[in-house]
Amino acid sequence: KAGVTQTPRYLIKTRGQQVTLSCSPISGHRSVSWYQQTPGQGLQFLFEYFSETQRNKGNFPGRFSGRQFSNSRSEMNVSTLELGDSALYLCASSADSAGELFFGEGSRLTVL
Amino acid sequence: GQQLNQSPQSMFIQEGEDVSMNCTSSSIFNTWLWYKQDPGEGPVLLIALYKAGELTSNGRLTAQFGITRKDSFLNISASIPSDVGIYFCAGPNFGNEKLTFGTGTRLTIIP
Repeated sequence: KAGVTQTPRYLIKTRGQQVTLSCSPISGHRSVSWYQQTPGQGLQFLFEYFSETQRNKGNFPGRFSGRQFSNSRSEMNVSTLELGDSALYLCASSADSAGELFFGEGSRLTVL
Repeated sequence: GQQLNQSPQSMFIQEGEDVSMNCTSSSIFNTWLWYKQDPGEGPVLLIALYKAGELTSNGRLTAQFGITRKDSFLNISASIPSDVGIYFCAGPNFGNEKLTFGTGTRLTIIP
């Protein structure tokens, strides 16, 4: 059974640009959550999607957005990138909203 | 919001030593989870605790759900090189978060 797949694994952007990250959950999982991981702030919850609907949202500015497709795949978008957005972005899927989280390897974003 | 504080922040030990780390919360939790993150990987669930006072083992790992429901402990016995990584505690937030993660304990094994 394939695990959570995130693409791209690494990317470099410049300030002001926007970025889209993709996450394919484990087959059959309907819940996808996104986390931002930085050395200073640790793992911070961004949002959770379940059946194409945003169920929960963390305390991030509106520049951070996401969506989920009918096949449960999810994307997150960050617009007008800032240097502080440099981080490892982790996606996690679960069978349902209360289930165990399975994490992908993450997408490492560097903003120059 | 809820905060999870882990201690110690980092540990440097020799192979074969036992390890203890803990996690405290400002709020009561009904579930405690312990994750491990290897370099370049996402976190992986090690142990889940669902009841105050519960003691659960997974191989050389043992975790306990504190009686006050505001803390949890993770012990690793006879550490080996593959234990290196960052250990996170986590719990469900009753607010709008999926999981709240602790600040992490980085384990390094000295040759």
